[in-house]
Amino acid sequence: DSGVTQTPKHLITATGQRVTLRCSPRSGDLSVYWYQQSLDQGLQFLIQYYNGEERAKGNILERFSAQQFPDLHSELNLSSLELGDSALYFCASSVDLTLYEQYFGPGTRLTVT
Amino acid sequence: AQKVTQAQTEISVVEKEDVTLDCVYETRDTTYYLFWYKQPPSGELVFLIRRNSFDEQNEISGRYSWNFQKSTSSFNFTITASQVVDSAVYFCALSPIQGAQKLVFGQGTRLTINP
Repeated sequence: DSGVTQTPKHLITATGQRVTLRCSPRSGDLSVYWYQQSLDQGLQFLIQYYNGEERAKGNILERFSAQQFPDLHSELNLSSLELGDSALYFCASSVDLTLYEQYFGPGTRLTVT
Repeated sequence: AQKVTQAQTEISVVEKEDVTLDCVYETRDTTYYLFWYKQPPSGELVFLIRRNSFDEQNEISGRYSWNFQKSTSSFNFTITASQVVDSAVYFCALSPIQGAQKLVFGQGTRLTINP
């Protein structure tokens, strides 16, 4: 158990809908990262937050957004969902920006039908 | 741009055999981190090791060992005396030390250990 929690574990929704994925980092970790794992794209970095502020952006679609709250949990919002958004979404956390070991949560499996 | 290549898509061996997973990377950064993660059938990503680019010492942890060669941009992972529980997908990843600290993953190697 990495100490990173993600909810829900599974999510099934229809095209065009909007969903929110939630992540709680390990206790004491200030940095949160979101990754998408799909069959065709593999594991891709989406976005990073550090202590509430956006730190880095990767291949994140405009339909996707994220935020990190004062209690350091993070949410990834996916809107106007398409079939191709079906994937495993991972959240990871690390202590800060210098000690760089990312610990991953169990993931949320999103299925868009 | 950074890139990680794991040329071996799938490997299948018999239990107790040694197996090496290859990882080759490309980066223009002078300092960077290299990682290995394990993804068992349950789906979570398990951190195995982090290596700094300025530390080329090989590392051994039990049955696991890692060989980092900067000259060939490789960071290979060897499992000695493999066990069925080692069956998983293994990912090699790269990140700069400075700047955006995102992990760039390889495509993964699916390792199957047969009894």
